[in-house]
Amino acid sequence: AQKITQTQPGMFVQEKEAVTLDCTYDTSDPSYGLFWYKQPSSGEMIFLIYQGSYDQQNATEGRYSLNFQKARKSANLVISASQLGDSAMYFCAMREDNTNAGKSTFGDGTTLTVKP
Amino acid sequence: DAGVIQSPRHEVTEMGQEVTLRCKPISGHNSLFWYRQTMMRGLELLIYFNNNVPIDDSGMPEDRFSAKMPNASFSTLKIQPSEPRDSAVYFCASLEWQRNTEAFFGQGTRLTVV
Repeated sequence: AQKITQTQPGMFVQEKEAVTLDCTYDTSDPSYGLFWYKQPSSGEMIFLIYQGSYDQQNATEGRYSLNFQKARKSANLVISASQLGDSAMYFCAMREDNTNAGKSTFGDGTTLTVKP
Repeated sequence: DAGVIQSPRHEVTEMGQEVTLRCKPISGHNSLFWYRQTMMRGLELLIYFNNNVPIDDSGMPEDRFSAKMPNASFSTLKIQPSEPRDSAVYFCASLEWQRNTEAFFGQGTRLTVV
């Protein structure tokens, strides 16, 4: 079974609006971390935000927030006030803390296009 | 720190040739990962090391692929002989496992095998 599922291959959003990128995960490990990365067309992988499984509050980093619903095993990324520069591929990843060396599993990604 | 450094950034080679990709992780990081990214297969984990020791190489596609980490500041991924289907972007990433940091990625090496 897929450990990380991103069901939206592509998403469109109007500039200045908010957008939610979906991510669901599957694990039996009680301790894990969830990550989101951005990959613009230039190709680099940029870390955006992290949520620990025991964190009581949803993580936020500037315009990025993570809507963490533990019982539903979802970790959706919310981007507020979208900008043209947000157009990129976005990857959700999970690290189970019982794994050796910090290995992460990545989803297939969602391509976000911000329209002017 | 300059971040994770990969070289070369681009490599074009002929089928059958040996290709060596290089990675310098961030100083102090004790885990290193090699990923391959293609349109068809997405981001695949090939192999990863902890404290310079290979932990899991089950993602390495064939015996043509090999990876080494002779010391904490250097790793190589070698393909011998290369084939056109090896064309992809290869990423190296590192992290400090016990501190539970995010993985820091290099800029990637775009490999084209013709």
